[in-house]
Amino acid sequence: GAGVSQSPSNKVTEKGKDVELRCDPISGHTALYWYRQSLGQGLEFLIYFQGNSAPDKSGLPSDRFSAERTGGSVSTLTIQRTQQEDSAVYLCASSFLAGEETQYFGPGTRLLVL
Amino acid sequence: GQSLEQPSEVTAVEGAIVQINCTYQTSGFYGLSWYQQHDGGAPTFLSYNALDGLEETGRFSSFLSRSDSYGYLLLQELQMKDSASYFCALKGSSYKLIFGSGTRLLVRP
Repeated sequence: GAGVSQSPSNKVTEKGKDVELRCDPISGHTALYWYRQSLGQGLEFLIYFQGNSAPDKSGLPSDRFSAERTGGSVSTLTIQRTQQEDSAVYLCASSFLAGEETQYFGPGTRLLVL
Repeated sequence: GQSLEQPSEVTAVEGAIVQINCTYQTSGFYGLSWYQQHDGGAPTFLSYNALDGLEETGRFSSFLSRSDSYGYLLLQELQMKDSASYFCALKGSSYKLIFGSGTRLLVRP
């Protein structure tokens, strides 16, 4: 596609439910990043993929958070047993190579946990 | 750890020049990036400094001084559409971006 796409664009869930967030990076981009942005705040790094491997998971806030990437393309971020503090915008970014200047961001998934 | 500080808000007049400062603390990094984010939108890349000095891209310029742990974004000939949040970000290990909390720029007519 022309840019990074994410789905769903909005997700409302009940506390304790599991959610899956999807990211489709720009075709051919090998590096993929997940970030989280709370209201009025900067972006917080979660996890980085190079191909299908995740060499850096240091930003995942707890073991309720996991992510995978398949075929060197689509990535899914899963949050189990959601909590109200998980409410945020989850942003995905990709770049052709990990060291490039520019990361291209998707529009994000707005998650609200009630 | 790594941290960045930016002013929370800046106001300027259309046609003017504005500078958004960013100070940081880090043990090592590849470079300093700047991203623009309109309300409800995705962050978009503006500029990147791998080395000390000034980088110019059209109306936007960015500066980095590693010895002073300091950088800034300079916006010239401000336009109403420049009203947005601006984030500085360190490019660290794994090339991940460590973001500041952002500066909200309001451009007045």
